[in-house]
Amino acid sequence: GAVVSQHPSWVICKSGTSVKIECRSLDFQATTMFWYRQFPKQSLMLMATSNEGSKATYEQGVEKDKFLINHASLTLSTLTVTSAHPEDSSFYICSARDPSIAGGYLQTQYFGPGTRLLVL
Amino acid sequence: QVEQSPQSLIILEGKNCTLQCNYTVSPFSNLRWYKQDTGRGPVSLTIMTFSENTKSNGRYTATLDADTKQSSLHITASQLSDSASYICVVSAGSNYQLIWGAGTKLIIKP
Repeated sequence: GAVVSQHPSWVICKSGTSVKIECRSLDFQATTMFWYRQFPKQSLMLMATSNEGSKATYEQGVEKDKFLINHASLTLSTLTVTSAHPEDSSFYICSARDPSIAGGYLQTQYFGPGTRLLVL
Repeated sequence: QVEQSPQSLIILEGKNCTLQCNYTVSPFSNLRWYKQDTGRGPVSLTIMTFSENTKSNGRYTATLDADTKQSSLHITASQLSDSASYICVVSAGSNYQLIWGAGTKLIIKP
């Protein structure tokens, strides 16, 4: 299946600093990528939908000025957590759809391995 | 809107098990089962539309009853590598939004 990578796999930062997480589709071009957040023992929560060449669509309750998303190319989307606080500590996961695979809305989302963020 | 049971399950290697998923979201588009290893991203196991009753992927067999809004994931001859969280996801609404269940944590013991 398709491969999606994330970098870094884990990061520790001080409160008030910004952290950038990269999501790459390695063997396909993804016009749409998704960013999720997962707290311990909870399921994934969609934060935003990232569309190549246009502004991201954020879910209700997600601050777009705090979680900056850039999808500058068909293989790369970045999530920047600005002015991070301890409550931002979480597991951040991205996913991507391969538009070349038929199936429309049934398309499988390929998930990255996740990035664990710890804000001290 | 997507409820899974049990929350956790421990079984011996080689045994079978069945995980349950009940949903209330509508309009329903499709239902997916994902496997998520600890500290990793989810991996798709099956995707079923409302017209499909069952779908298999190796030792994993998913069933769907769109009338009662219930799905199950049956794992046959469990292996230690099956230890993971299994998440039921329902796609619903006009924009096919994914509604995620909380998952069932499965532990396989030797």
